[in-house]
Amino acid sequence: GESVGLHLPTLSVQEGDNSIINCAYSNSASDYFIWYKQESGKGPQFIIDIRSNMDKRQGQRVTVLLNKTVKHLSLQIAATQPGDSAVYFCAENKTPGGSYIPTFGRGTSLIVHP
Amino acid sequence: SQTIHQWPATLVQPVGSPLSLECTVEGTSNPNLYWYRQAAGRGLQLLFYSVGIGQISSEVPQNLSASRPQDRQFILSSKKLLLSDSGFYLCAWSYGQNTEAFFGQGTRLTVV
Repeated sequence: GESVGLHLPTLSVQEGDNSIINCAYSNSASDYFIWYKQESGKGPQFIIDIRSNMDKRQGQRVTVLLNKTVKHLSLQIAATQPGDSAVYFCAENKTPGGSYIPTFGRGTSLIVHP
Repeated sequence: SQTIHQWPATLVQPVGSPLSLECTVEGTSNPNLYWYRQAAGRGLQLLFYSVGIGQISSEVPQNLSASRPQDRQFILSSKKLLLSDSGFYLCAWSYGQNTEAFFGQGTRLTVV
């Protein structure tokens, strides 16, 4: 089974809008979270990560928010561009058994309309 | 810098034929290595992971096996492919416990 799940399978936005992709995780012991971007036919690529001692981290046009109370993670993309169209996965680096293995959710497909 | 190579990019194999997918990592030593499978519209399902030479852990019992004959080489195999083995196979590596994973470009396997 998947210990990391996503609320929405598809998100459509207009170019220039801000995008928010949400993720729920189930393992309260997880202490490291990563967002990946996967373009069609390619392997996932790292976007941004956050450790459990933080609740917010910013990168270039991206921000990750972590709410440990409700076990929720979000990825915000500012001024979304057509090149941002891809599937986005959140992942946690701990299995329920305690192993440090990247565990992925189903993914959200982001579609950016010009 | 570190790089990961995975081949072939696409593969069409008949049911009952064997499989061997190879993955190699350059520029690092003693990496954690992973094989994932991705079905259409789904997330990444972990198949195998390895923390060292000869050390393989299986997450999902199935028709596949993995081996790590060298530190930076990870091989996914099957003796007899099933139709259900079709999918997008991804190799990845990471270093340490709480670091990101780096993925290869994937192999699109179609079993016919």
